[in-house]
Amino acid sequence: QSALTQPASVSGSLGQSITISCTGTSNDVGSYNYVSWYQQRPGKAPKLMIYDVINRPSGVSNRFSGSKSGNTASLTISGLQAEDEADYYCSSYTAYSTLGEVFGAGTKVTVL
Amino acid sequence: QLQLQESGPGLVKPSETLSLTCSVSGGSISISGYYWGWIRQPPEKGLQWIGTISYSGKTYYNSSLKSRVTISVDTTKNQVSLKLSSVTAADTAVYYCARRSDVLTAFSNRFDPWGQGTLVTVSS
Repeated sequence: QSALTQPASVSGSLGQSITISCTGTSNDVGSYNYVSWYQQRPGKAPKLMIYDVINRPSGVSNRFSGSKSGNTASLTISGLQAEDEADYYCSSYTAYSTLGEVFGAGTKVTVL
Repeated sequence: QLQLQESGPGLVKPSETLSLTCSVSGGSISISGYYWGWIRQPPEKGLQWIGTISYSGKTYYNSSLKSRVTISVDTTKNQVSLKLSSVTAADTAVYYCARRSDVLTAFSNRFDPWGQGTLVTVSS
């Protein structure tokens, strides 16, 4: 089972919007509405930002939103702020194993 | 507030068994609707799901690691454990434990919260 495909890096200016893509297959992203997004700052544990494609946990800014079309999920960060600079990982439930989970390789977001 | 803390040796010799414990505080490990998972992250690389366990002890493993992994739960200590046998340098990583929603019954899938992680280096 291969990792989900994410761009290595995405950058944007303060206040702009950026979108990170996450491409899987019909065995994971395409078949389940169970895509999550995690933010990871250097030396820290991943933090849940979006789950089940579109849901935001309590306390996460509404500047973060998720969507999905076919085998590709997306995370959009609007009104980019300096504190958003981090690595972002997508993940999806996968049919390859019961309760299996596959992660993306991560995307480095840089705020210019 | 639920907190998870990984602990164990930071250095393991090749061919030996890596053993880690995840201690859960601020809530019971024996709560329905949730599982407990292990995820690892090699240096400068992405995340890899290792496996998941229910409080009743039902386990689910990544097929690529299944032959070497054992995850167990001790509800009396509120702990989850990970054992990975026959380790090599490729197993060097930060190991995280996290609570996982029960996708099979709750119809929601997420890892939250996570422990701070513990670095395990495989070297002689």
